[in-house]
Amino acid sequence: AQTVTQSQPEMSVQEAETVTLSCTYDTSESDYYLFWYKQPPSRQMILVIRQEAYKQQNATENRFSVNFQKAAKSFSLKISDSQLGDAAMYFCAYRSGIGSQGNLIFGKGTKLSVKP
Amino acid sequence: ETGVTQTPRHLVMGMTNKKSLKCEQHLGHNAMYWYKQSAKKPLELMFVYNFKEQTENNSVPSRFSPECPNSSHLFLHLHTLQPEDSALYLCASSQEEGGGYNEQFFGPGTRLTVL
Repeated sequence: AQTVTQSQPEMSVQEAETVTLSCTYDTSESDYYLFWYKQPPSRQMILVIRQEAYKQQNATENRFSVNFQKAAKSFSLKISDSQLGDAAMYFCAYRSGIGSQGNLIFGKGTKLSVKP
Repeated sequence: ETGVTQTPRHLVMGMTNKKSLKCEQHLGHNAMYWYKQSAKKPLELMFVYNFKEQTENNSVPSRFSPECPNSSHLFLHLHTLQPEDSALYLCASSQEEGGGYNEQFFGPGTRLTVL
């Protein structure tokens, strides 16, 4: 079975600085998708960024980028120029590419605080 | 209403009560999900409905009973719950079209407390 591990329960960053959140996963599959979701306090979970395992190029969405290391099964999220609105729980998630079901496997999450 | 909505947002119930959680998606998706989010644990997938048919039940106790009358609505019926069932229950939806990437859109959740 696939597992997702986020080893940092909490992280803190100064406003305007850069922070990297770690995520590792375990799978025997070669085709899969990886995601980072953000859950602000008392607000809905939203997708931040996604990566297809067959793509070597790291995904980027504005200030958010990933470092996808397929061989190491690592999928870290880098947030540049951190803003107060980035404070949230961040969840790394895995989805098998086999079949059409969109079942996600989540890590325990990392709580990110942004200091003004 | 837009996106995925859930009602009620907060619910307190006794162990002998019967209550229902409601989820509605306004995105035209064909798949809906129930997740349980407990403190210090990963989100747990509970049920999956695809085209109104339940396609997955992750060994959820029978005191949780899902219902999907159509592709836009999803219910979670609760009865004789235990205190350890207290959690945030999240609903999500996606458009499943035979493989590939399909983003799941989440609702705000129902915060359930079982006394």
